[in-house]
Amino acid sequence: QQQVKQSPQSLIVQKGGISIINCAYENTAFDYFPWYQQFPGKGPALLIAIRPDVSEKKEGRFTISFNKSAKQFSLHIMDSQPGDSATYFCAASKLGPGTYKYIFGTGTRLKVLA
Amino acid sequence: GAVVSQHPSRVICKSGTSVKIECRSLDFQATTMFWYRQFPKKSLMLMATSNEGSKATYEQGVEKDKFLINHASLTLSTLTVTSAHPEDSSFYICSARVRNTGELFFGEGSRLTVL
Repeated sequence: QQQVKQSPQSLIVQKGGISIINCAYENTAFDYFPWYQQFPGKGPALLIAIRPDVSEKKEGRFTISFNKSAKQFSLHIMDSQPGDSATYFCAASKLGPGTYKYIFGTGTRLKVLA
Repeated sequence: GAVVSQHPSRVICKSGTSVKIECRSLDFQATTMFWYRQFPKKSLMLMATSNEGSKATYEQGVEKDKFLINHASLTLSTLTVTSAHPEDSSFYICSARVRNTGELFFGEGSRLTVL
């Protein structure tokens, strides 16, 4: 019940294309779904996050789509650039004070070809 | 976003010695910090949950006597790898949960190499 399943494991996209990464969760108690971007040799950086009260959130070229009934959420990177080449992790947790763990997906290695 | 500082970023030590890694939340209070280990091209493996003022909670299979975690204040947690061996060589990353909101921010990671 605590798993977050992420796909695909790796993704190659042409410059200017759309990158799509999908995640599915099981625990309906989760109320916070962030995406992290990690470059080699660096810690993950918070990219964008969504709460279940909205179905979509957009920040620049990055959009999260959220389907509460299907317990799925996805990251869309529009106009993908070589600089977007990184590993992306989805996660799920509960917000608010407390010690709730973050459950991470297994990661997607994105390569954007110039 | 909030800033988490992790130090050192790289450390090389001899087998049998101990190494301390510091994790500081610079502009927020973190009642909870998490320590992860990451193998090349793999996901984040949670090692332990560190709560300010109390003992850390270790994940199954993580040796608490080898990986000592201290969370002495709302802004500082430390991981000490004791009697390090080459198999402890890895990328260690801390993260801090913002006290009031619960958002999670990561440090830059520490690359440990044990010779």
